[in-house]
Amino acid sequence: QAQLVESGGGVVQPGGSLRLSCAASGFTFSSYGMHWVRQAPGKGLEWLAVIWLDGNDKYYADSVRGRFTISRDASQNTLFLQMNSLRAEDTAVYFCASDGTYYLNYWGQGVLVTVSS
Amino acid sequence: QSVLTQPPSVSAALGQMVTISCSGGSSNIGNNDVSWYHQLPGTAPKLLIYDNHKRPSGIPDRFSGSKFGTSATLGITGLQTGDEADYYCGTWDTRLSAYVFGRGTKVSVL
Repeated sequence: QAQLVESGGGVVQPGGSLRLSCAASGFTFSSYGMHWVRQAPGKGLEWLAVIWLDGNDKYYADSVRGRFTISRDASQNTLFLQMNSLRAEDTAVYFCASDGTYYLNYWGQGVLVTVSS
Repeated sequence: QSVLTQPPSVSAALGQMVTISCSGGSSNIGNNDVSWYHQLPGTAPKLLIYDNHKRPSGIPDRFSGSKFGTSATLGITGLQTGDEADYYCGTWDTRLSAYVFGRGTKVSVL
């Protein structure tokens, strides 16, 4: 059974950085694109970024382009999200999800990021 | 402002049917497959429908999806209290080169 487990969340000051990880198991990680999605408190889902199979093809939402970087390490079966220049509006639960060809088929449980002074 | 438009809420009596609409445009729903997700309070979203109408293993046939033109619809029959959740449509937007979600629809069982 596919499993995704996020880690690396926490409290960070505005302007700070944080790196999220998503450990994958139960499926062939290198054969799937991977996404990051977030959900601010009381709000809906916001797609952030996708990285396709080879790791070189990446796309970002306008709200995070230039500040966030998605990457993957096939040897560790792990997806990453490097978040820089964090703002209060980046406070949210962050989910990783695997791609089933333009749908998100498996989701992690989410990790909370709080940006606050 | 989301690219995909969903009603904020829908409701129906126990055992009845609800439908949730998802309206987009030619760069998203019009040219790409639609998926649906549901999210129970405090939990992660879960795939409900993919490729417009297909159900993943374990999803009952009370849930159905359809697409026509630039709109998609999720139907839930035999409504149960456990169906009370937020439902999101999603698809790839070719013009934005981004995955897009609707704002979500809260389903309530009366």
